[in-house]
Amino acid sequence: QVQLEESGPGLVMPPGTLSLTCGVSDGSVTDDKWWHWLRQSPGKGLEWIGEMFRSGAINYNPSLKSRVTISVDKSKNHFSLRLDSVTTADTAVYYCAGGGLYSLQVWGKGTTVIVSP
Amino acid sequence: VLTLSPGTLSLSPGDRATLSCRTSETVSSTYLAWYQQKPGQAPRLLIYAASTRAPGIPDRFSGSMSGTDFTLAISRLEPEDSAMYYCQRYDRSPPMYTFGQGTKLEIK
Repeated sequence: QVQLEESGPGLVMPPGTLSLTCGVSDGSVTDDKWWHWLRQSPGKGLEWIGEMFRSGAINYNPSLKSRVTISVDKSKNHFSLRLDSVTTADTAVYYCAGGGLYSLQVWGKGTTVIVSP
Repeated sequence: VLTLSPGTLSLSPGDRATLSCRTSETVSSTYLAWYQQKPGQAPRLLIYAASTRAPGIPDRFSGSMSGTDFTLAISRLEPEDSAMYYCQRYDRSPPMYTFGQGTKLEIK
């Protein structure tokens, strides 16, 4: 089964940019899956950020759309999250996940990102 | 909106747990999933399409739906079932995944 692992800075200063990468192993970003980013914070619970498919189709949470970019690097077999203009409200555990139809079948272990001056 | 109930459920080993997820509008069964999350771990998919167990999930876990009410039942509870449980809905337009606030299941 495909495995996912998030990586990136654990501390970001506002109003900077949060950048995370999700490495895919025992599988490929070109597999027949949607690749997702989500986050979880005590105040907001589990929040879906966005998804992308191997075709390049991308969907974002409307509440974050203006600040989010999800991209893929097929040569490195990973996909990435960029969140601009971060505030302390973006402090959360960030997860990458892979899914088929309408559910999230495999998850990374998550990485904590703290946004603090 | 997804509303889970109860907020907390305390049961004993061997009991049966029934968790409810109510949607504010009609949702196709295809678009409803359940997850289990233990402290310090990522969520794990239990049920998709309202009633289909994910690979490797024991048959003690079952899902069902009736109208706007979706139910996760866990029979023969084990201490390892202690966790948070979330329901998740998919919307097509615009594409969007939404999670309920979670039910905490305690096995004592």
